[in-house]
Parts: sequence; structure tokens; C-alpha cells
Amino acid sequence: NAGVMQNPRHLVRRRGQEARLRCSPMKGHSHVYWYRQLPEEGLKFMVYLQKENIIDESGMPKERFSAEFPKEGPSILRIQQVVRGDSAAYFCASSLPSEAGGLSDTIEQFFGPGTRLTVL
Amino acid sequence: GQNIDQPTEMTATEGAIVQINCTYQTSGFNGLFWYQQHAGEAPTFLSYNVLDGLEEKGRFSSFLSRSKGYSYLLLKELQMKDSASYLCAVPFEGNNRKLIWGLGTSLAVNP
Repeated sequence: NAGVMQNPRHLVRRRGQEARLRCSPMKGHSHVYWYRQLPEEGLKFMVYLQKENIIDESGMPKERFSAEFPKEGPSILRIQQVVRGDSAAYFCASSLPSEAGGLSDTIEQFFGPGTRLTVL
Repeated sequence: GQNIDQPTEMTATEGAIVQINCTYQTSGFNGLFWYQQHAGEAPTFLSYNVLDGLEEKGRFSSFLSRSKGYSYLLLKELQMKDSASYLCAVPFEGNNRKLIWGLGTSLAVNP
């Protein structure tokens, strides 16, 4: 079973361009999570999604950032009109559905290798 | 509010034992996670504690005291490959799908 896959691993964009980051979850995983990591700030939750639905996007900036997890294909984190402050490592993780359907189960998140975005 | 504190850096010697502490403040506590992250790589799951006490898993053990808002990760028989950042995380308001992360403790294991 292949792990969580992210591409590209490295992405360079100029200010004002768009960045598209892709994440393919592990087989059988229903949930995808996106995190941003800066060297001095640690991992920051951005959004988590279930197929075709955004469950919680409270950690994602309201402007320029969007995420989707379509019925077919990978999850996409899209950053429009990038600025230098968007330079960071973006990690995707995935997890199994909760058997009990609740929020309190142990839900191990499996992380992808990350995409390192550099904005020039 | 929610807050997690960990020491920024630690140094230890190969073969020794090291304890990495984590204190947290959260509403609706529902467990605490430890992850390991090597430089430039993805975090990998180490442990999850929801009840008080020590849970042992090979060379790594994790302890939790809910009343004190305190956890530690104990690494025994340290190896060079254990040099990494160790991240403590708690669910936001009891939601295990939305984790709040500490800044991580960077552990350097010296020969």
C-alpha cells in the first residue's frame, strides 16, 4: 500500500502566480488534512476534507487559499496570487474513517513528504 | 485557549535515556499525540495517550497526566538515527481530526 503522495516536492513561483499542490491519500483513507510548516512556527492546521466536502477550514486564510477533494483524483490546495509570506512547507496527511463515527477515536494521521513552496 | 509547550532543543549521548516533556492547556481534552520528524521529512506517528499512565512501545514510551496537563516521551538506548524533532499535539476542543501542535523539540544525539 503506497503511502501518502504529494507533488510537486518543490515548487517555485513568482509573486502573483498561482500555486497548486496535490495530495493523493493512502488507499482506503477518507480524510485529507493540509498543514503549513514554517521553521519557527511549527505545524499549523489549515483544513480537513472528506470526499467532496470541506469539513473544517478554520485554519486556512479566507483569501487566496482554497482546497478541494474531488470524488476522483487527488486533493488540491490552491494558492492564488502568491506572496513571499506563503513560502513554507505544506504537508498533507490522510486518515481512515472513524469506525464509531465520532470525533474522539484514535485517528492516526499519515503524512506525505510535503511540498516546499518558494515564492520569489 | 489552547497552548502547548515543549523545550526547543535537547542534546543526549548515544546509548543514554532522554525525556522530552510537553505541557498543554486545552478544552475538551481527548488524548495527546507524539510524532517524530526528521529534518526535511514528514512527521511520523509515535504514540497516542488518552488515559493516565505510561505506555511502552519498544525503546519509546509515552506518559500522560491529565490532571497536570503534562506528558513526556521517553527514549531509551538512544541511537544516532533518533536525532530528529519530536512533536506533541492535542486535539482542538476534543476533535481528533483537528490537531494543535507544539513547536517541537529538536533532539541531537551525539556519539
